[in-house]
Amino acid sequence: DTAVSQTPKYLVTQMGNDKSIKCEQNLGHDTMYWYKQDSKKFLKIMFSYNNKELIINETVPNRFSPKSPDKAHLNLHINSLELGDSAVYFCASSQEQGWNTIYFGEGSWLTVV
Amino acid sequence: QKEVEQDPGPLSVPEGAIVSLNCTYSNSAFQYFMWYRQYSRKGPELLMYTYSSGNKEDGRFTAQVDKSSKYISLFIRDSQPSDSATYLCAMYPGGGNKLTFGTGTQLKVEL
Repeated sequence: DTAVSQTPKYLVTQMGNDKSIKCEQNLGHDTMYWYKQDSKKFLKIMFSYNNKELIINETVPNRFSPKSPDKAHLNLHINSLELGDSAVYFCASSQEQGWNTIYFGEGSWLTVV
Repeated sequence: QKEVEQDPGPLSVPEGAIVSLNCTYSNSAFQYFMWYRQYSRKGPELLMYTYSSGNKEDGRFTAQVDKSSKYISLFIRDSQPSDSATYLCAMYPGGGNKLTFGTGTQLKVEL
């Protein structure tokens, strides 16, 4: 059983398109996150939701919009994709905001051409 | 200057070697320190977690924190090819603050 699952794993799309990445966790955690990992492996938080409520919203272009329909799901929608959006996007979850219990999904490789 | 600095490597060692991976940081408020292992094309997985200064051992892995020097280490004894991965340090001050990651060190353990 996959604890944090995200789809799609690979996505190649053209500049200007709109795309979504879906994430689901079956751990019963209250908090979910989106992280972005660039080509140099630097992992940076984008958003954090606790029980469907936005907690952390880092300096991210407003083309990125997270949506949490329930506490087990956190989707990421990206409008008007740009070349610089190419990266690996990781969904994660943790119990409350316990950073010591954070579990990551396997990542979604986004390539914008 | 980044809040957390980590040598990207790659670090290549023979099987059975003792590996030392390190991170330095600038924020003296950090109290919780973690090491994640990330295999190629996979998400990071938590390996070790320590609070404040001191050592923590788990099997072949030892995490060490020296808050006075703002320096943390992960030691891997009897390294195996299956240890080949990128190792990311991460830390946070506590409360609801966010986790800050290092850029990771790529380790390759060769037969």
